Amino acid sequence: DTAVSQTPKYLVTQMGNDKSIKCEQNLGHDTMYWYKQDSKKFLKIMFSYNNKELIINETVPNRFSPKSPDKAHLNLHINSLELGDSAVYFCASSRFGQASSYEQYFGPGTRLTVT
Amino acid sequence: KNEVEQSPQNLTAQEGEFITINCSYSVGISALHWLQQHPGGGIVSLFMLSSGKKKHGRLIATINIQEKHSSLHITASHPRDSAVYICAVGEGAQKLVFGQGTRLTINP
Repeated sequence: DTAVSQTPKYLVTQMGNDKSIKCEQNLGHDTMYWYKQDSKKFLKIMFSYNNKELIINETVPNRFSPKSPDKAHLNLHINSLELGDSAVYFCASSRFGQASSYEQYFGPGTRLTVT
Repeated sequence: KNEVEQSPQNLTAQEGEFITINCSYSVGISALHWLQQHPGGGIVSLFMLSSGKKKHGRLIATINIQEKHSSLHITASHPRDSAVYICAVGEGAQKLVFGQGTRLTINP
């Protein structure tokens, strides 16, 4: 069983389109995250949700809107895609509490290419 | 300057060599994480530590809180250890801040 799953794995789209990436975890964790990995492989947090509530929003353009229908799912919707949005997006989950002190489990990543 | 700095950025070694990757950070932390990113892209958590030393198989991670420094060691390195190793520090309750990664290549 996959602990943290993301769909799609690859996403190629044109500038200006709207797209969504889905994430699901079956670990029973309370906290989920979205990370962006740029072309230099540098990871940066975008959002953190705990039990469907937004905890962290790291100066991400408001074209990016996370949605958590329940604590096992955290989807990422992106409006008006731009070339600079091309990256690999990772979903992750962990237990809550001092969550940075808990191990994080990562999804396989979604490679987004905007043309 | 990044809050988390790793060295070296790239490391190539022969099979069997002892490997050390270093991580220095400039912020107060709750914990430090070592992650491995496979050539295929997947990320796996190797260690999480807030003091002392942890060992798992051929991998050893140490942290010196006073010096704000951590090391990841690999003994008897093998080509399958080839990957990008990422240090991340827990800043505050929820946030991880990442280093730029160290690309390790082990040649047979």
